[in-house]
Amino acid sequence: DAGVTQSPTHLIKTRGQQVTLRCSPKSGHDTVSWYQQALGQGPQFIFQYYEEEERQRGNFPDRFSGHQFPNYSSELNVNALLLGDSALYLCASSSDRGRKPQFFGPGTRLTVL
Amino acid sequence: GESVGLHLPTLSVQEGDNSIINCAYSNSASDYFIWYKQESGKGPQFIIDIRSNMDKRQGQRVTVLLNKTVKHLSLQIAATQPGDSAVYFCAEAYMEYGNKLVFGAGTILRVKS
Repeated sequence: DAGVTQSPTHLIKTRGQQVTLRCSPKSGHDTVSWYQQALGQGPQFIFQYYEEEERQRGNFPDRFSGHQFPNYSSELNVNALLLGDSALYLCASSSDRGRKPQFFGPGTRLTVL
Repeated sequence: GESVGLHLPTLSVQEGDNSIINCAYSNSASDYFIWYKQESGKGPQFIIDIRSNMDKRQGQRVTVLLNKTVKHLSLQIAATQPGDSAVYFCAEAYMEYGNKLVFGAGTILRVKS
């Protein structure tokens, strides 16, 4: 079992650009959540997808959007990048409509210059 | 708003001793709690979880205790090993809303050999 995978591992962008991050959930999982982790802090919930729909959303602006595909994989899109968007972006997957423990991927390190 | 806090930012223990990491939560509606271990450059790794209808749950070398009266959670690690050195996060959720995890800031565990 490959576990949760994310791509790319690292990414460098400039202010104003757009970025797409990708996540493949653990086999058998149907729910994907995205988190942002700033350096030295705990992860902060961005949003959660189940059955290709955004089910919950954290306190993040509309510049952050996502998608879940029929195979349960997911994308996180961030538009009009700001310096403050620099962080580790974590994807977590879970089963049973999100009612089981969430397992995290290794994350994508985004640096905005 | 919701918040999860940790009492000690850094905990140093001698190899072989037991470790106790504490966590306070503020949302009395939370009914699910989970502990993660995060090593440098990696995503959070699931350790153990507990639901609010339980007071204690044991895993391999780890025990989680939940005290709903004072809204307190603890993680006990028996016979701490150098490989246990990492940042530990507790998180809470209200499962009715699909397991949106709210994380605390984390506790650094350092194991001295």
